[in-house]
Amino acid sequence: SQKIEQNSEALNIQEGKTATLTCNYTNYSPAYLQWYRQDPGRGPVFLLLIRENEKEKRKERLKVTFDTTLKQSLFHITASQPADSATYLCARVDAGTYKYIFGTGTRLKVLA
Amino acid sequence: DARVTQTPRHKVTEMGQEVTMRCQPILGHNTVFWYRQTMMQGLELLAYFRNRAPLDDSGMPKDRFSAEMPDATLATLKIQPSEPRDSAVYFCASGLIHGDTQYFGPGTRLTVL
Repeated sequence: SQKIEQNSEALNIQEGKTATLTCNYTNYSPAYLQWYRQDPGRGPVFLLLIRENEKEKRKERLKVTFDTTLKQSLFHITASQPADSATYLCARVDAGTYKYIFGTGTRLKVLA
Repeated sequence: DARVTQTPRHKVTEMGQEVTMRCQPILGHNTVFWYRQTMMQGLELLAYFRNRAPLDDSGMPKDRFSAEMPDATLATLKIQPSEPRDSAVYFCASGLIHGDTQYFGPGTRLTVL
């Protein structure tokens, strides 16, 4: 079965630094990978999507990469701020089924 | 500002009772997903619908869980009978077929005593 693995340990970084979160998948490459942000007591909110044939996507301070050789996506937040503190979820979406499989998320804390 | 709504937001019940959770997807969305989130398992897909037809409910315990879409504006998830291990936050999400994202509701926090 398809799996998504994220580092379950919390990531603490200093304000202004770049946060890098990792998402690894198993078996064949998904049609695309998505990244979501989840704050306590709320539902996940979509941030970015990257397709299998794309290497990199950017949106403001966010950047996502997709490496089909390593079977990995990296999510970067540059110039991080305390307001970026949240749990970040990675999801794979497979072609045809459009079924979403989420990782368990990585909790990010940006220290002022 | 279109949003997915879920009711109730919180539910405390006793083991053996029936629980019904409701979701109103964003108007015009034709896919609906039900997820369960726990600390241990993360976000697990229970079932999803496309144009109100159930496409996949393999993530759902069939003996006690059921999911339906009686119409395009309402999706329900029912647990009967409920058990303490069902305690979790249940999320509904909606989106468009071949869409790039899904939009989550605020969730229903279920506690089964």
